Amino acid sequence: AQSVTQLDSHVSVSEGTPVLLRCNYSSSYSPSLFWYVQHPNKGLQLLLKYTSAATLVKGINGFEAEFKKSETSFHLTKPSAHMSDAAEYFCVVSGMGGSYIPTFGRGTSLIVHP
Amino acid sequence: GAGVSQSPSNKVTEKGKDVELRCDPISGHTALYWYRQSLGQGLEFLIYFQGNSAPDKSGLPSDRFSAERTGGSVSTLTIQRTQQEDSAVYLCASSFRGLAAYEQYFGPGTRLTVT
Repeated sequence: AQSVTQLDSHVSVSEGTPVLLRCNYSSSYSPSLFWYVQHPNKGLQLLLKYTSAATLVKGINGFEAEFKKSETSFHLTKPSAHMSDAAEYFCVVSGMGGSYIPTFGRGTSLIVHP
Repeated sequence: GAGVSQSPSNKVTEKGKDVELRCDPISGHTALYWYRQSLGQGLEFLIYFQGNSAPDKSGLPSDRFSAERTGGSVSTLTIQRTQQEDSAVYLCASSFRGLAAYEQYFGPGTRLTVT
C-alpha cells in the first residue's frame, strides 16, 4: 500500500519570507508525486509534478519541490510568500504498487501574515 | 478549453432523500475519479473509472452510494437515503489516462448539505 504524510497541518509565515511544506511518502521505488493547491471554496489545482525526470521540479507561482529518494521526501518550497499563497496544499503520490488511484496527504494549511 | 464541470454547485436535501451529482470531465480524458471532502479534512477516494474497464468502487462508504459513467464521458454519483454524515463537498476529477504520471484536473465541487 502507498501512503503519504504531510508533516504539518498548519504552517504560518509572514509575507516575503520563505515557505516550506513538508511531505514524505512510503515506497521502495520511485512513484509519481504531485502538489496541488486548493483556495477556499475552489477545486484543486496542480502546482507541480515529479515523474522520474529532473529531481528538482518547478511549478506555477514560483513554487518548486525536490524529490529526494534517499529521504522519501518531496517538500514544497517558495522563496518569498505572497498573501495570495494562503490556501490548503495537498501532497499526492501515485503509482506505487501498480495503483493508479492517487493517495492524498491530509493537507497543510498555509497562513500568510502581512 | 473547458475544464471539469460539476452540477449542482450546491445541494440542500432532507435526510432520507436521494440525490444525484453530475460531473462532466474534460473531453478526451479516459479516467474519472470521485472524492469526498468533509469540512477541514483531506480527500477521501470514492470511485474510479478508466475507459471501458469495470470501475474501482473500493472507496464507496456504503451501498447507499453508487456511480455510473455513460459513454465514457459524463458521470453521475447517486446517494440514496441521505444521512447527515453525507454532508460534504463532492469533487470530481478527470485525467488523460488512468496512469500514475498523469495529473488530475478537478472540478469546483458540489457542496451537499443534508438537513
